[in-house]
Amino acid sequence: KAGVTQTPRYLIKTRGQQVTLSCSPISGHRSVSWYQQTPGQGLQFLFEYFSETQRNKGNFPGRFSGRQFSNSRSEMNVSTLELGDSALYLCASTPMGGRNTGELFFGEGSRLTVL
Amino acid sequence: GQQLNQSPQSMFIQEGEDVSMNCTSSSIFNTWLWYKQEPGEGPVLLIALYKAGELTSNGRLTAQFGITRKDSFLNISASIPSDVGIYFCAGQLAGANSKLTFGKGITLSVRP
Repeated sequence: KAGVTQTPRYLIKTRGQQVTLSCSPISGHRSVSWYQQTPGQGLQFLFEYFSETQRNKGNFPGRFSGRQFSNSRSEMNVSTLELGDSALYLCASTPMGGRNTGELFFGEGSRLTVL
Repeated sequence: GQQLNQSPQSMFIQEGEDVSMNCTSSSIFNTWLWYKQEPGEGPVLLIALYKAGELTSNGRLTAQFGITRKDSFLNISASIPSDVGIYFCAGQLAGANSKLTFGKGITLSVRP
């Protein structure tokens, strides 16, 4: 069974640009969550999507947005990039067939560097 | 918002030693989970705990859900070099579809 796939793995952008990151969950998984990981703050929750609807949202500015498609694939977008947006962006999926057990399956992440 | 406290930030142990980590919160959680992240990888679930007082093992790893529901402990016995990585605790509040809150992680180094 293929794991969670995130693309691109690495990217470099400059301040003011925007970026789109992609996540393909494990086949059959319907919930996708996004996290930002930085050395100082650890793993910070961005948002969660289920059945193409945003179900949970963290405390990030509106520059951070996401969406989920009918095949459960998800994208997140960051507009007007700032230096502080440099981070590892992790996507995680869960089956969501029943109770949300909190058990997440993470991808390897997309490493974003903002210059 | 909820915060999970993990300390120290880094731990250094000798191969073969046991190590214990704890995670505390001011909030009550319904579920506690422990994840491990190796360099260049995403976190991987080690153990999930669903009941206060629950003690669960996964090989050399043992974790407990604190009675107060505000803390959890992870113990690694007889450490080996491949135990190196960042260990995160995570808590989930009661309620369907509640999001996870992660601690900042403890970086474990194992000296051969």
